[in-house]
Amino acid sequence: EAGVTQFPSHSVIEKGQTVTLRCDPISGHDNLYWYRRVMGKEIKFLLHFVKESKQDESGMPNNRFLAERTGGTYSTLKVQPAELEDSGVYFCASSQGARNGYTFGSGTRLTVV
Amino acid sequence: QQQVKQSPQSLIVQKGGISIINCAYENTAFDYFPWYQQFPGKGPALLIAIRPDVSEKKEGRFTISFNKSAKQFSLHIMDSQPGDSATYFCAASMAGGSEKLVFGKGMKLTVNP
Repeated sequence: EAGVTQFPSHSVIEKGQTVTLRCDPISGHDNLYWYRRVMGKEIKFLLHFVKESKQDESGMPNNRFLAERTGGTYSTLKVQPAELEDSGVYFCASSQGARNGYTFGSGTRLTVV
Repeated sequence: QQQVKQSPQSLIVQKGGISIINCAYENTAFDYFPWYQQFPGKGPALLIAIRPDVSEKKEGRFTISFNKSAKQFSLHIMDSQPGDSATYFCAASMAGGSEKLVFGKGMKLTVNP
């Protein structure tokens, strides 16, 4: 079984540019989560999809962040325009439903310069 | 306001020693307490988890101790090995809603040979 795939693995962009991160969950997993870890801080929840619907986006920092999940399959997280404080590692996780079924991807390390 | 506090931030132990990581939480509605292990360049992977109806859970060399009245839980790694060198995160979540994970800041463990 393929795991959760995220790409790119690294992205370096200038302040003000746009970046799109992609996550391919494990096939059949209805739940998809985005988390972010800013250097030295805890991993923080961003949002949760069930299939194509946003169930909880209470962790999204501001309206520069837009997440979508096309047809309940892969998900994208767009940051537009990027700011310096958006730098960090963005993790995607998927599960079939149970909390102990979370599988995380390897993350995308975003650096805004 | 950090809901899950983790300590220490880093730990160095000798091979064969015991590693202990502590976490404290605020929200009494939390009912699931997992520990995640993360190697460099990888995403967090579930190591072991506990629910508040038990005070201890053991899986191999890893043991979670849970103190509901004190709102604390800890991870003990017995006979620590160099391969255990990683970052460890405690987390908590509550049933219902998105069941998102609230993480501690993480602890970098180094096991010297």
